[in-house]
Amino acid sequence: KAGVTQTPRYLIKTRGQQVTLSCSPISGHRSVSWYQQTPGQGLQFLFEYFSETQRNKGNFPGRFSGRQFSNSRSEMNVSTLELGDSALYLCASSGGGQLSSYEQYFGPGTRLTVT
Amino acid sequence: DAKTTQPPSMDCAEGRAANLPCNHSTISGNEYVYWYRQIHSQGPQYIIHGLKNNETNEMASLIITEDRKSSTLILPHATLRDTAVYYCIVRPPSTGTASKLTFGTGTRLQVTL
Repeated sequence: KAGVTQTPRYLIKTRGQQVTLSCSPISGHRSVSWYQQTPGQGLQFLFEYFSETQRNKGNFPGRFSGRQFSNSRSEMNVSTLELGDSALYLCASSGGGQLSSYEQYFGPGTRLTVT
Repeated sequence: DAKTTQPPSMDCAEGRAANLPCNHSTISGNEYVYWYRQIHSQGPQYIIHGLKNNETNEMASLIITEDRKSSTLILPHATLRDTAVYYCIVRPPSTGTASKLTFGTGTRLQVTL
């Protein structure tokens, strides 16, 4: 089975721009979660989508948004980029059921640099 | 959510068993213990999880004390490729609205020759 794929792997953007990151979960997985990882804050949960609906959200400003498509693929968008948004953005997929939700499989991440 | 405490770093010689401890003294009866690891510049990797009984899979063993206040992840024959940050996470069963993972600072395991 193919793992979680994320595109692009690397991205450089300028302050004020917006960016869209893509995640394709493991086939059959219905839940997709997004995390931000920075040296200062570590791994932080952004949001989770299940069956095209956001069912959990972390403590991030509204500039961070996401969506999930009917094939479970997910995108996250960050608008009006700030220097502090430079981070590794990780996507994780899981079956979405009660006991499997925490058994998450992570992609390689998208490293975003904001200049 | 139950808080976990892990040592910030540990060393292990290649070929020896690596025993990574985790303290979760406030764990509730229905909370599971999950372990993940993150090798440098990669996404975290699920290792194992358990509730009460000890668990073993192809990667590791998880030993949970009888009072469930602590656990140990055992890598039976550590290799250089096991050098990573290991995270111990305690979570209740997902209700469908609380499935996020909360990562602490973990234990940085360095496997040496």
